[in-house]
Amino acid sequence: NAGVTQTPKFQVLKTGQSMTLQCAQDMNHNSMYWYRQDPGMGLRLIYYSASEGTTDKGEVPNGYNVSRLNKREFSLRLESAAPSQTSVYFCASSEATGQGARTGELFFGEGSRLTVL
Amino acid sequence: AQSVTQLGSHVSVSEGALVLLRCNYSSSVPPYLFWYVQYPNQGLQLLLKYTTGATLVKGINGFEAEFKKSETSFHLTKPSAHMSDAAEYFCAVRGSYNQGGKLIFGQGTELSVKP
Repeated sequence: NAGVTQTPKFQVLKTGQSMTLQCAQDMNHNSMYWYRQDPGMGLRLIYYSASEGTTDKGEVPNGYNVSRLNKREFSLRLESAAPSQTSVYFCASSEATGQGARTGELFFGEGSRLTVL
Repeated sequence: AQSVTQLGSHVSVSEGALVLLRCNYSSSVPPYLFWYVQYPNQGLQLLLKYTTGATLVKGINGFEAEFKKSETSFHLTKPSAHMSDAAEYFCAVRGSYNQGGKLIFGQGTELSVKP
């Protein structure tokens, strides 16, 4: 049981380049999330998808776009990368969010380490 | 709105000593509370959670936490630290309906264990 799988694990980009981070979960979860983690700032929510077909902004959505491709997959796209987007990105999933959530427990991927030069 | 405060961004203990990581929360409804651990270069994994019932919750690797409503706290403890406990620890509370029921994380506490 793989859980939450993120690709790539490492990426180096030049300023202005674009890329997509891929995330897939095999737990039949309804909700999926993208976080970024920076030293001293904890985890900050970029975007989330409460259910297939919906996406919503989190705390720090600027410079990012997302696609909920199907129930399993949720991708994060950087259209024009900036050095401020150097970070570790985590994808997570849960059974549900909002009123449908039993506990709200999140299951995390291993992270994608992105450096923008 | 729900929020979480972790007291101390860095905690250092000696091997065999008590581990105490502090977490206080703010919640307008009965909270669901979580502790996650992140080992170096890995993702976050659940240590333990409190939803309802017994206020002393036991987790993996000998950790436990006690929900104290009167103190709005959910501190994480382990009687005897091991070198392998060195990691970053995150406390989280489930957000309110207006917050979409998503988990709200604290800033994290990095635990160092000295030989």
